[in-house]
Amino acid sequence: EDKVVQSPLSLVVHEGDTVTLNCSYEVTNFRSLLWYKQEKKAPTFLFMLTSSGIEKKSGRLSSILDKKELFSILNITATQTGDSAVYLCAVEDQGAQKLVFGQGTRLTINP
Amino acid sequence: GAVVSQHPSRVICKSGTSVKIECRSLDFQATTMFWYRQFPKKSLMLMATSNEGSKATYEQGVEKDKFLINHASLTLSTLTVTSAHPEDSSFYICSAKMNLNTEAFFGQGTRLTVV
Repeated sequence: EDKVVQSPLSLVVHEGDTVTLNCSYEVTNFRSLLWYKQEKKAPTFLFMLTSSGIEKKSGRLSSILDKKELFSILNITATQTGDSAVYLCAVEDQGAQKLVFGQGTRLTINP
Repeated sequence: GAVVSQHPSRVICKSGTSVKIECRSLDFQATTMFWYRQFPKKSLMLMATSNEGSKATYEQGVEKDKFLINHASLTLSTLTVTSAHPEDSSFYICSAKMNLNTEAFFGQGTRLTVV
C-alpha cells in the first residue's frame, strides 16, 4: 500500500526563521511527488518533482527529491506570517495517476 | 495555471436528503477527475477516480451507492451524496489533470454539513 509520511506534524517559528519540512514515501510505481499549500480551502500547487537532486525554486520556497532514499524536503527561508498554512506532500502513482497524501505539516509563523 | 471550479462551496442539508456537488474544468478537458474527502485537521483521502464515459473507480471502504459519481463530459464530474447523514459532514474536494505529465489542480472544495 502506498504511503506518505510527513514530519513534523506541527511547527511554530518566528517570522524570519528558515524551516525545513520533510516527506518520506513508499509507492509501488512512482511517477512524481508534489507539494501543496493549504490555507482555509483547497490546496494550491507549489512544486512537482520527478527527478532526484534537481532543486526546484520559487521565491523563498525550494524543494528537492531523493528517489534513492524516498524522501523530499520543502524549505522556506525568511518566513512571513503569510506562510502559515498546512503543507501537504503527495505522491502520484504511475498508472492510476491518483495522489496519496501525507498527513500534512501545520506551519505557524509568529510575528 | 488551469482552473477547476467546484460548486457549491458550502451546503447544509437535512439528514436523509441527497446533495450534488459539481466539479468543472474551466479551461481544459479532463478525462480523469478525482474526488477527495477531508476531515478537520486531517489530510485528503481519495474517495474515487472519475473517468469520463465510464464507471468511477472507488477506493476501498468507500460506498459506491452512497457516493454516486458521474463524469458525463470532459469538463464535468458530479458527486452525489445520497441519503446524507451527519457523519457524511465533511470537506469534499475534486481535482483534475490536463494530461499525464502535469500537476493536479484542485477545486475550491465543498463544505457539507448534514443536520
